Parts: sequence; C-alpha cells; structure tokens
Amino acid sequence: QKEVEQDPGPLSVPEGAIVSLNCTYSNSAFQYFMWYRQYSRKGPELLMYTYSSGNKEDGRFTAQVDKSSKYISLFIRDSQPSDSATYLCAMREVGNTGKLIFGQGTTLQVKP
Amino acid sequence: EAGVAQSPRYKIIEKRQSVAFWCNPISGHATLYWYQQILGQGPKLLIQFQNNGVVDDSQLPKDRFSAERLKGVDSTLKIQPAKLEDSAVYLCASSYPTGGLNTEAFFGQGTRLTVV
Repeated sequence: QKEVEQDPGPLSVPEGAIVSLNCTYSNSAFQYFMWYRQYSRKGPELLMYTYSSGNKEDGRFTAQVDKSSKYISLFIRDSQPSDSATYLCAMREVGNTGKLIFGQGTTLQVKP
Repeated sequence: EAGVAQSPRYKIIEKRQSVAFWCNPISGHATLYWYQQILGQGPKLLIQFQNNGVVDDSQLPKDRFSAERLKGVDSTLKIQPAKLEDSAVYLCASSYPTGGLNTEAFFGQGTRLTVV
C-alpha cells in the first residue's frame, strides 16, 4: 500500500464548475499537507499549505484536512481553463527531517 | 527572491553512459531534495540533505546513483551507468529546516532525462 493515494484522473470539467480533488494517506504521523500545481514541462508550484486538521481558503482554492479519516481535499471554485494542470498532494511529518511524500497527481482539464 | 535553479533542462544519453545534474537551492534553504518523476507519476524522493549531510537516501539506487552537496549549498546528482528506466524528470527542491510553518518545499524546473 502506498503511503499516499491519489486518483490520477483525468478529470474534465466545464469552465465555472467546482472541482474536488482528493488524497488519502496511511501514515498518521503526517502533520503538514500541501497541494502543488504542475503545468506540463514545469516543476511543481505550491498552491496551498495546511498544518494539521482544518480548512484553509485562498481565493478560489480551499484546502481541507480530516486527520481522523486520513483524507485531504482541494476545492477549486469557478474553475478556469488556466487551472488545467496536474494537481499533486504532498505530506510530511513534523520535524525538519521529515520526508515530503507525494501522491500520483490528478490531471485536470477545464474546458471553455 | 531567486528560485531553485537546475541545469541542464534536457539531456539525452545512451544506456550505460553517465550523466550529472546540478541544483542551486534558494539562498538560506538548508534542506535540499532530489526527486525522480516518471511520466504519469508523482515525484519520488531519491535523497534528502540537511545542510551537507544526508537525511534520507532509502530510495536512491546506490549501485548507480550518487549525490553530494558540498558546503551545504549546491548539489549534484549523478547516474552511472544509466538504464532505460532512468528516463524521467529529475526535480530539485529546497526548504527552510525549522520544522515550523515555513517548511514548504520549492521546486526547480527539473531536468528531463531521456535514456536511449
């Protein structure tokens, strides 16, 4: 079993739709949860960063962490064609030597 | 603030040849990571440095891969000899080591390696 599971998609939605991206994990020691966006032929760029459980909102993006269920989500409101990319969830344990573990990534296409 | 710099951007080599990648992290970032990203997969950690010491290299194929980080700044990743399955994007990332809220990792553009 992988430490972090993410449905690879692809996910195709019309412009303006609400998008829900999810990851599950098995390591209860994970405390930091991140979402990265990766455009084709580019390195991942950090979108959202959450510590422990709870919600965090930034513009059209909302990240949720449910540690009891070992489940994290990223919601994108009013999706735009420019949101078309691969979305990677990543997690790490507490401490400066904690490994940063990624999910497989979900490919999202937002159609105009 | 300058980002993580990697070179080269692209490299094509024949199997059994050797190759080296270079990474310059964000200034002041003590933690440096090398990831391998095979097409269609998420990045897989190869090695993690804290300053110039190795924190984790459990997934580094040590019979062919080596990495070093001299003086706790720049790092090089080497593959010798390369195999076809090493074709991937090699990503370098860096982060600040406090263990607090500033532990986000920032990535470079990556080096796309094709082994033929």
